[in-house]
Amino acid sequence: EDQVTQSPEALRLQEGESSSLNCSYTVSGLRGLFWYRQDPGKGPEFLFTLYSAGEEKEKERLKATLTKKESFLHITAPKPEDSATYLCAVQGYNNNDMRFGAGTRLTVKP
Amino acid sequence: GAVVSQHPSWVICKSGTSVKIECRSLDFQATTMFWYRQFPKQSLMLMATSNEGSKATYEQGVEKDKFLINHASLTLSTLTVTSAHPEDSSFYICSAARADGNTIYFGEGSWLTVV
Repeated sequence: EDQVTQSPEALRLQEGESSSLNCSYTVSGLRGLFWYRQDPGKGPEFLFTLYSAGEEKEKERLKATLTKKESFLHITAPKPEDSATYLCAVQGYNNNDMRFGAGTRLTVKP
Repeated sequence: GAVVSQHPSWVICKSGTSVKIECRSLDFQATTMFWYRQFPKQSLMLMATSNEGSKATYEQGVEKDKFLINHASLTLSTLTVTSAHPEDSSFYICSAARADGNTIYFGEGSWLTVV
């Protein structure tokens, strides 16, 4: 069964303090690994899709990387507006749906 | 702008009544849509996969007679919570996959409160 584990559960950073979020996964044939941002009371907002080990994608202060076992979401010089829950999900070739991790709640203090 | 729209954003209904939530893909055709439920401070739990023109596939533990899903067109899926009870109060979110299946967008979610 596909599994996704995110760590840490919660992360508090000072503005400008770079860090990384982890997403460990097991899946029978990775079709895609997805990162989403979710603000309280709203649906997830798409950030990245990664398809193969070694792939990297960047968007503003965010950079996502992928290995065969895990993905990292690196946040460089975060700002308070980056505060949100970051969700990781995997999609396997055997399924059309996604399995989500529990998320990492990021708080960036000014 | 949003590519997947959910309606209503929030709804309050009386116990025993039914409520329908709509999920629309705005600028693409979605052969597959997904319905999730999310409890406070928890991640998304997949309820069912909705395929256009066929019956939905429900996850284990989800009552198909209680959560009716209809995917009548390539841009619309509906979730009807029948005979709602207070324990059905939750945040319901839909997502839609583009034809290539590589990009999946989420709606804004619908808050359901059953009183």
